[in-house]
Amino acid sequence: EDQVTQSPEALRLQEGESSSLNCSYTVSGLRGLFWYRQDPGKGPEFLFTLYSAGEEKEKERLKATLTKKESFLHITAPKPEDSATYLCAVQAGYSSASKIIFGSGTRLSIRP
Amino acid sequence: NAGVTQTPKFQVLKTGQSMTLQCAQDMNHEYMSWYRQDPGMGLRLIHYSVGAGITDQGEVPNGYNVSRSTTEDFPLRLLSAAPSQTSVYFCASSGTGGASYGYTFGSGTRLTVV
Repeated sequence: EDQVTQSPEALRLQEGESSSLNCSYTVSGLRGLFWYRQDPGKGPEFLFTLYSAGEEKEKERLKATLTKKESFLHITAPKPEDSATYLCAVQAGYSSASKIIFGSGTRLSIRP
Repeated sequence: NAGVTQTPKFQVLKTGQSMTLQCAQDMNHEYMSWYRQDPGMGLRLIHYSVGAGITDQGEVPNGYNVSRSTTEDFPLRLLSAAPSQTSVYFCASSGTGGASYGYTFGSGTRLTVV
């Protein structure tokens, strides 16, 4: 059965303190791995798609990386506005019609 | 360009009642999905569709029905509401190629079943 596990559940950092969030997955053939940001009371907002091991994507203070078993979302010198829940999702199989499943997310809090 | 529109934003139902959550998108997206989000459990896939006339079950389909008669609309029907269906429901859509280019999510429907 396809599974996505995110850790830690919650992370509190001081402004400027860099860290990483983890997303480990077990799927029968990875078509794509996705990262989303979700603010309280809102729908998730798309950040990145990664397709193959070794791939990296960057956006401002965020950098996503992918291996054959996990993905990391690195946050460099975070600011309070980076506080949100970060969700990881995977699309398994070899068809664009296959379903996408999400992990339970990491709640990130950045203190000024 | 409205994106993904969900109605209603809030709803309270009594156990046993039925209702339809509406989802409409104006981006001509083929791929649409319904998720529910419960505290500590992330997003769980209920049903999804890869185009008009085509639907499939997700992780937690029991108690819900969907249909896709047009590209734009993907309603979610609760047949007989139960307290376990209290949740926040999100509709999402993506363009050609499945969700490889990322979903656009609606703002959610907060449903309480009493």
